[in-house]
This record gives sequence, C-alpha cells and structure tokens, in this order.
Amino acid sequence: NAGVTQTPKFQVLKTGQSMTLQCAQDMNHNSMYWYRQDPGMGLRLIYYSASEGTTDKGEVPNGYNVSRLNKREFSLRLESAAPSQTSVYFCASLGRTYEQYFGPGTRLTVT
Amino acid sequence: DAKTTQPTSMDCAEGRAANLPCNHSTISGNEYVYWYRQIHSQGPQYIIHGLKNNETNEMASLIITEDRKSSTLILPHATLRDTAVYYCIVRVSYGNKLVFGAGTILRVKS
Repeated sequence: NAGVTQTPKFQVLKTGQSMTLQCAQDMNHNSMYWYRQDPGMGLRLIYYSASEGTTDKGEVPNGYNVSRLNKREFSLRLESAAPSQTSVYFCASLGRTYEQYFGPGTRLTVT
Repeated sequence: DAKTTQPTSMDCAEGRAANLPCNHSTISGNEYVYWYRQIHSQGPQYIIHGLKNNETNEMASLIITEDRKSSTLILPHATLRDTAVYYCIVRVSYGNKLVFGAGTILRVKS
C-alpha cells in the first residue's frame, strides 16, 4: 500500500514550457486534491476532484488544468509555465473520515 | 470554516510530553478539529481529529474543551523526529477546502 505517489519529484522548466504532474493513490478514495506551497507559506488549493469524472476550481486555479483520469489518478497540467508557478506541489486524497493523505510533493522551478 | 489561533513556536525536551494549544472560539456545532503536521520538505501528515470528545490514537491525543472553543494536541513522549510544523484546522467534515494557517513550529531538543 503505497498511499499517494507523485511524479516527478523535481522538475526545472523554462518560462513558456508545459508539463504534467502525475498523482496516483491506491486507497480507493473518491476525492483528490492539488495544492501548492510557496516557501514559508501554507498550502493553497489549486483544484480538486470530488469523484471520478468531476473537477472543481480551488483558491488558485489560474494557469493550471487538471484531469481525473480514473479513480486512482489525478494529474495537474501547466500549459505555459511562469516563474510565479515555482513552488512545491502536493497531491492529496480524502479518507473515510474526511482526513486528507498527502503525497511527497513535486518541487518545480520555473526559470 | 472557523478561524484558528496557534502559538508561532514551541520548544519541548525529548522524552517529555508536547502540548500544542489551538484556539477556535468561533467554531460551529458541525465543525471538527483536525490536526496535521509537516516535517521539513515532506507532505503534510494527518495526525488526529475530533468533534467534542477527547480522542487518542497511536500518534497523539486530542483534548477538546467542553465549550469547544479550544483544543490541545498532546504528543506523549516527543522525539527529535516530531520536530515539525503542526497545523490545527477547523472544518466541516464533508468540506473540500482544507485551509492551512501558519501553524506552530515545534522544536524537540535533546
């Protein structure tokens, strides 16, 4: 039982490049989330998916798109990366008693 | 979701109990108290949650006052690996939005 996994662990992009962050969970959870955490700051919700086939915007969705590919996987796409998107990205899933389980994070730098 | 107030930082001696307070005076009847922690550079980790009764699990205990306006997370025998930022979050159980405030930096010292 790996919990929540994320790939890649680290990524460096140039401004304007695109990439997709992958997230998968093996706990059979319905809801999944994408957060970003800037240095010294708390987490901010980007997008979430309450169930397979649905997605909703969070607090800071601009510049991102998501896909809930199936129950296990929830990906986050940056179409045209900007330096302001330099951050650590965390994926999470929602457990049976509404606690969230987080992945190890993807550290993204946009130059 | 109700706002929470936590001390900025606390120190604790290794092996002693760490008691982390949280004030949530505007908590509503259907809001739960959740605790998470984030060890440096790692993803946040769920610790415990409760509604009004005290709760205990293998990681910690949660004491909620009778009026539910404050709570205390207790790590019974703190170790160096418990050094982390601890977040107290008040929310409805079914809500999707998890708002992390500044939290409390707990430093466990040998």
